[in-house]
Amino acid sequence: AQTVTQSQPEMSVQEAETVTLSCTYDTSESNYYLFWYKQPPSRQMILVIRQEAYKQQNATENRFSVNFQKAAKSFSLKISDSQLGDTAMYFCAFVPSMDSNYQLIWGAGTKLIIKP
Amino acid sequence: ETGVTQSPTHLIKTRGQQVTLRCSSQSGHNTVSWYQQALGQGPQFIFQYYREEENGRGNFPPRFSGLQFPNYSSELNVNALELDDSALYLCASSPQRFSYNEQFFGPGTRLTVL
Repeated sequence: AQTVTQSQPEMSVQEAETVTLSCTYDTSESNYYLFWYKQPPSRQMILVIRQEAYKQQNATENRFSVNFQKAAKSFSLKISDSQLGDTAMYFCAFVPSMDSNYQLIWGAGTKLIIKP
Repeated sequence: ETGVTQSPTHLIKTRGQQVTLRCSSQSGHNTVSWYQQALGQGPQFIFQYYREEENGRGNFPPRFSGLQFPNYSSELNVNALELDDSALYLCASSPQRFSYNEQFFGPGTRLTVL
């Protein structure tokens, strides 16, 4: 079965620190997409970053970067210089195929609290 | 550009009733996906609509049904409500039917079944 596991239910760090959220997944596919979505307390989910499995270079978006280890099926999110606005639930998700019939599979989420 | 909107924001129903949730997709988006998010869990895919046709369904019973209109807005209908249907229902739109595209989410509808 294709699954996503986020082993950290909750994390908290001080503002300006760096934090890494973990995600592992299971698939037998070789070509797929991985995502980190953020759900702030206001509930609207937004995309943080996306990684294509066939690209070896790790994706980055400003303060957000990923460490993609394909062989280990690991996809962690690093947030540098954390800000109060980063407080949110973070979900790791992946689409196991380029086929249109395949849908997002989600992890259970990590609650991240940034303390002032 | 108007984002994804959902109505109502909150809803309270009793077991056995029926409910309809609504979603307006972002301008230019022809694909709408619906998710159920139970408290403290990640979203679970219910189904997706692409140009008014169902384009994939998750592991949900037939009492969960949907519709997409010519303007690409969408409805989620749930019949014979059960207590376990209490959840946040999220709608997401995207410009294409492939789920590796970014999905744009609405704020959700919080359904409570008593």
